[in-house]
Amino acid sequence: DAGVTQSPTHLIKTRGQQVTLRCSPKSGHDTVSWYQQALGQGPQFIFQYYEEEERQRGNFPDRFSGHQFPNYSSELNVNALLLGDSALYLCASSLRDRGVHEQFFGPGTRLTVL
Amino acid sequence: QQQVKQSPQSLIVQKGGISIINCAYENTAFDYFPWYQQFPGKGPALLIAIRPDVSEKKEGRFTISFNKSAKQFSLHIMDSQPGDSATYFCAASRGGRRALTFGSGTRLQVQP
Repeated sequence: DAGVTQSPTHLIKTRGQQVTLRCSPKSGHDTVSWYQQALGQGPQFIFQYYEEEERQRGNFPDRFSGHQFPNYSSELNVNALLLGDSALYLCASSLRDRGVHEQFFGPGTRLTVL
Repeated sequence: QQQVKQSPQSLIVQKGGISIINCAYENTAFDYFPWYQQFPGKGPALLIAIRPDVSEKKEGRFTISFNKSAKQFSLHIMDSQPGDSATYFCAASRGGRRALTFGSGTRLQVQP
């Protein structure tokens, strides 16, 4: 049973560029959440997707956008990259069932903005 | 009201000792409190979680104690082992499928 997978593992971009990160949820999961983890800090919630729609959003600018596909996989897009966007981007998947609460994280994509 | 405050920032424990990490929250709407373990270069791994209708939950060497009136919860690692050396994060949410609010993390080092 495959867990949450993310690609790429590492990415280096320059300021002003755009980046797309990808996530495949754990088998059987239908909800994907994205988090940003700066070095030495806890993850911060970016947004959550369910049924191909953004359902909840954290305190991140519109430069951060996402998409969920019919197979539940998801993309995170960041436009006009800033140096401060350098972080580990984590994807978490869960099952949208009232009795199930666990969120499982992938290994993350390390983004470096130069 | 969305903050989760975690302490200590770092912790050094001898092998076989008890590691204790504390968290406090403000938002009384939170109803799900997980702990995650993260090794360098890896994503957080769910360790144990608790709902506010119980005061304690134990899984193996890991125990969560929950004090609803004080809005505090803690992780106890019994018989700490060098393999437990990692960063631990507490978190909270209104139902686990909603956004998790994380603490700032505790770097645990278990010395052999």
